[in-house]
Amino acid sequence: AQSVTQLDSHVSVSEGTPVLLRCNYSSSYSPSLFWYVQHPNKGLQLLLKYTSAATLVKGINGFEAEFKKSETSFHLTKPSAHMSDAAEYFCVVSDIPNAGNNRKLIWGLGTSLGVNP
Amino acid sequence: DTEVTQTPKHLVMGMTNKKSLKCEQHMGHRAMYWYKQKAKKPPELMFVYSYEKLSINESVPSRFSPECPNSSLLNLHLHALQPEDSALYLCASSRIRSGTKGPDTQYFGPGTRLTVL
Repeated sequence: AQSVTQLDSHVSVSEGTPVLLRCNYSSSYSPSLFWYVQHPNKGLQLLLKYTSAATLVKGINGFEAEFKKSETSFHLTKPSAHMSDAAEYFCVVSDIPNAGNNRKLIWGLGTSLGVNP
Repeated sequence: DTEVTQTPKHLVMGMTNKKSLKCEQHMGHRAMYWYKQKAKKPPELMFVYSYEKLSINESVPSRFSPECPNSSLLNLHLHALQPEDSALYLCASSRIRSGTKGPDTQYFGPGTRLTVL
C-alpha cells in the first residue's frame, strides 16, 4: 500500500536561511508525488509535482524537491526563507488507480513551517 | 486559469437546517472532489465525481449528499448535521488521464468554513 511520512511536524527557521521539509514515501509502483502548501485559513496550493520526468523538480516561490528512489524520499527545499513562507506543507503520493481510473491522493500529516524575523 | 471557486466562504447552521455548498470550475476538468479538513490535519476525501458520475464515496454519512449537475458544478447538500461535522470543506478538480499516465494535478478551491451549532 502507498503511504507517505513527513518526518517533522514542525520546522522553524530564520528569515533568509534555508528550508528543508522532509518526506518519505512507500509505493509498490512508480508514484507521482506532490507538495501542497496551505496558508492559514486558506485552501491548498500546488507547489510542485513529480511524475517520472526529471528527478529535480522546480516549483513556485523558489521551492524545489528532489525525487530519490533509492532513499524513497521527496524532500522540499528552498535556499532562503521568507516570512510569507510560514504555512502548513503537505507531501502527497498518488494511489493506485481503481477500476474507474480514479486515483486517490495519500496525504502526509503535514509540516508546519514557522519563519522567524 | 486554474481557479476553483466555492461559495459560501463561511456557513453557520443549526443541526436541523438544510444548506448547500457550491463549487465551480471552468478548466474543462471532468473529475471533481469533495474533501473535509479538520484543523491541523490533512484533507480527507469524501466523494469523487468522474464525468458527472459518482465514482468514489468514502463511506460518508447520508447527511452529506453530493450532486454534480454538469461538468462545471459540484454541490454538497447538508442536512441534520452534527457539531463534529464542523470543518473546512474543500472542493477540487482535475483532468482525467487514461491508463498509466499518472494522476493529473488536483486544483483546490479556498474552501467553505462550516460551523454546526
